[in-house]
Amino acid sequence: AQTVTQSQPEMSVQEAETVTLSCTYDTSESDYYLFWYKQPPSRQMILVIRQEAYKQQNATENRFSVNFQKAAKSFSLKISDSQLGDAAMYFCAIWGTYKYIFGTGTRLKVLA
Amino acid sequence: NAGVTQTPKFRVLKTGQSMTLLCAQDMNHEYMYWYRQDPGMGLRLIHYSVGEGTTAKGEVPDGYNVSRLKKQNFLLGLESAAPSQTSVYFCASRLTGPTYEQYFGPGTRLTVT
Repeated sequence: AQTVTQSQPEMSVQEAETVTLSCTYDTSESDYYLFWYKQPPSRQMILVIRQEAYKQQNATENRFSVNFQKAAKSFSLKISDSQLGDAAMYFCAIWGTYKYIFGTGTRLKVLA
Repeated sequence: NAGVTQTPKFRVLKTGQSMTLLCAQDMNHEYMYWYRQDPGMGLRLIHYSVGEGTTAKGEVPDGYNVSRLKKQNFLLGLESAAPSQTSVYFCASRLTGPTYEQYFGPGTRLTVT
């Protein structure tokens, strides 16, 4: 069975600062993929970034990057130069065998 | 290209009533999913389908049934609604292959009184 744990229910960051959201996972599969999704107040789920587990290089998408530690089964999301529009729920997810398993989410507040 | 649409957007049911939520996608995706989202619980998978005519149980399937008679549609049914089924329901779809993202619908807020 696969599990995803997000231990930070809520985080705050000052505008223009950097914040890191934590995610740990467990899986018995050798080939899997990891994702971060963002859910703003509109409720629409938006893909932020994805990481293939077989790749050692950490994925980056503009101000968003991940710190993927395969041995530790850790997949944290770093947001640089935080903006007011980054305020949202963030979900970590693992893909394996037809479906995703999501974490419980971290609510990010951005302070002006 | 409408993406993933859900009908209805809001619904209030009385305990014991039944209803069907409709999910439609126009992206020719093979895989479709139904999730429920509750405060502090994240998204939990109810049922999913890997192709027309196929369905499978997810993490929390009890009290729900699904059907995928057409590739573009995925229906979620509640035969006898209970207050514990008060939630926001999301449908999603994706292409086959592990790296593809899921595309989500806008959600349906269901309240069972």
